[in-house]
Amino acid sequence: KNQVEQSPQSLIILEGKNCTLQCNYTVSPFSNLRWYKQDTGRGPVSLTIMTFSENTKSNGRYTATLDADTKQSSLHITASQLSDSASYICVLWGSQGNLIFGKGTKLSVKP
Amino acid sequence: DAGVTQSPTHLIKTRGQQVTLRCSPKSGHDTVSWYQQALGQGPQFIFQYYEEEERQRGNFPDRFSGHQFPNYSSELNVNALLLGDSALYLCASSLSAGGADTQYFGPGTRLTVL
Repeated sequence: KNQVEQSPQSLIILEGKNCTLQCNYTVSPFSNLRWYKQDTGRGPVSLTIMTFSENTKSNGRYTATLDADTKQSSLHITASQLSDSASYICVLWGSQGNLIFGKGTKLSVKP
Repeated sequence: DAGVTQSPTHLIKTRGQQVTLRCSPKSGHDTVSWYQQALGQGPQFIFQYYEEEERQRGNFPDRFSGHQFPNYSSELNVNALLLGDSALYLCASSLSAGGADTQYFGPGTRLTVL
């Protein structure tokens, strides 16, 4: 079983709409949880970084939340734009200093 | 300020061959990590280099080896290529402090093994 599970696997929304992506993890303890955006064929770009003691972190239209009790994180995208079409990856920085990646959610924003 | 750069962009090899991928870290960064990302999957950690030594390693066979140079740039070598080695290879750089520091990823090298 993967240590970081993301849902949904893929998502299609209309431009201007909001959406929420989910991340469930079993990694414990961990130093921080990150959300990355990865355009097709490109390297991931960091959106947010939260330590285990933080509950929420925002970066423009992106807001990440973390519930350490339920071991869940979410990424909320507000007023989606066509350029938001990408894969969004949940990543945990494990206790051994390595990054543990989820498989990502592929988001498609349609006009 | 140049970010993380990787070369080549694309590469096609045949089974059994050897390949070398290159990475230059973001200015000021001293740690380089390599990841393999198969199509539709999240990146898998291969290894990390700091001070020219392999500091950590993921679950990859010895066919995967690396090197870090005094200028912090790095190479990833893969011997005896298999079809399953076809993937996007990502390099990420960071400061040795690690932890909450952000890793900056390069654009990747797309390796196709025929």
